[in-house]
Amino acid sequence: DADVTQTPRNRITKTGKRIMLECSQTKGHDRMYWYRQDPGLGLRLIYYSFDVKDINKGEISDGYSVSRQAQAKFSLSLESAIPNQTALYFCATTGTSGGYGDTQYFGPGTRLTVL
Amino acid sequence: KQEVTQIPAALSVPEGENLVLNCSFTDSAIYNLQWFRQDPGKGLTSLLLIQSSQREQTSGRLNASLDKSSGRSTLYIAASQPGDSATYLCAVLGGGSTLTFGKGTMLLVSP
Repeated sequence: DADVTQTPRNRITKTGKRIMLECSQTKGHDRMYWYRQDPGLGLRLIYYSFDVKDINKGEISDGYSVSRQAQAKFSLSLESAIPNQTALYFCATTGTSGGYGDTQYFGPGTRLTVL
Repeated sequence: KQEVTQIPAALSVPEGENLVLNCSFTDSAIYNLQWFRQDPGKGLTSLLLIQSSQREQTSGRLNASLDKSSGRSTLYIAASQPGDSATYLCAVLGGGSTLTFGKGTMLLVSP
């Protein structure tokens, strides 16, 4: 089984709808991240969480919210989806061994299309 | 604000060639640098991680170097194969313990 899973894998929705993307990890890591990837813009950080009680905004948090339901679960919500939120969304997780020694492990991505 | 640049944006080579991908970053105060591979429409897979105190890391045909003072890293791929075709992403871990990514180099290795 994959270490980091994302649901759904693909989603088409309409402008104004509320959407939730879910992420689960089995690596036992404390740190979890949400990114979006757009052609020509690379990966940009939306939100990140260092533990269940710690939530931080990333570079592009406007229009998004998150919930850290448990150590293993981190959800991203689009309160009122708009077309420019059409992108590939990735969840990632990392441990804290040695302070900064661990790599980030990525989920397979969710392709979201907002019409 | 940290900025990461990757050159070239795209590269096409025949099978068997050795090649170098370049990554530069503007703020040398980093904890580590990571190279990832991404296949079309897929997630990222970590290839190599270089701590700020290290100069290079090797894994099989891949070798990554880091010159923190000059803000540069290279990923060397020896004897390229068609299966190496993918996008390669460089990312640096800085203050705040978050990664800043470059836009990637799209590599095509033809048989």
